[in-house]
Amino acid sequence: GNSVTQMEGPVTLSEEAFLTINCTYTATGYPSLFWYVQYPGEGLQLLLKATKADDKGSNKGFEATYRKETTSFHLEKGSVQVSDSAVYFCALRLQGGSEKLVFGKGTKLTVNP
Amino acid sequence: NAGVTQTPKFRILKIGQSMTLQCAQDMNHNYMYWYRQDPGMGLKLIYYSVGAGITDKGEVPNGYNVSRSTTEDFPLRLELAAPSQTSVYFCASSLGTFSNQPQHFGDGTRLSIL
Repeated sequence: GNSVTQMEGPVTLSEEAFLTINCTYTATGYPSLFWYVQYPGEGLQLLLKATKADDKGSNKGFEATYRKETTSFHLEKGSVQVSDSAVYFCALRLQGGSEKLVFGKGTKLTVNP
Repeated sequence: NAGVTQTPKFRILKIGQSMTLQCAQDMNHNYMYWYRQDPGMGLKLIYYSVGAGITDKGEVPNGYNVSRSTTEDFPLRLELAAPSQTSVYFCASSLGTFSNQPQHFGDGTRLSIL
């Protein structure tokens, strides 16, 4: 079946540290891949996306590259800030049909000053 | 532009009660979705709709019902509330029709059943 696996959290970093959150997927066909972010008490917001192999999504200093050969979409940021503290969700969307998303379990990030 | 609006934000129910979670979007999106978010479990799809008058089950539909009489509204109904339905519920919408646009989420409804 279709599934997304994220690294277990929580992740705690100091400000300006390098961030990597691993995400791998299993899917039939050629999915689009997404990272969503959820700040405390809020809904999910799209952070970045990639729709085909080797695409790189980027936003707010975050990046992720669609790697078909390793079925991965790891999220990276070179220097995190306290304001990046949130829960990050990796998700895939299959082509066509209802455009349903399949989510990973989420990774909670805490950045300390 | 309000986006996706969910009401109420919080609710406490007794076992066996019923209620409707409201969701409205003003972006003229065709597709709408209901998810539940349990701690450490990510989001699970309950029901979805690809247009007015069309609904379909997601991954965890038992105990819920939906309707889609208009493009804007997609209410979720719990008929006989059970403790297992304690969760945070998110509504989302997307343009759909192969637009390759992302889903937009509401701020959620936190529901406790005691």
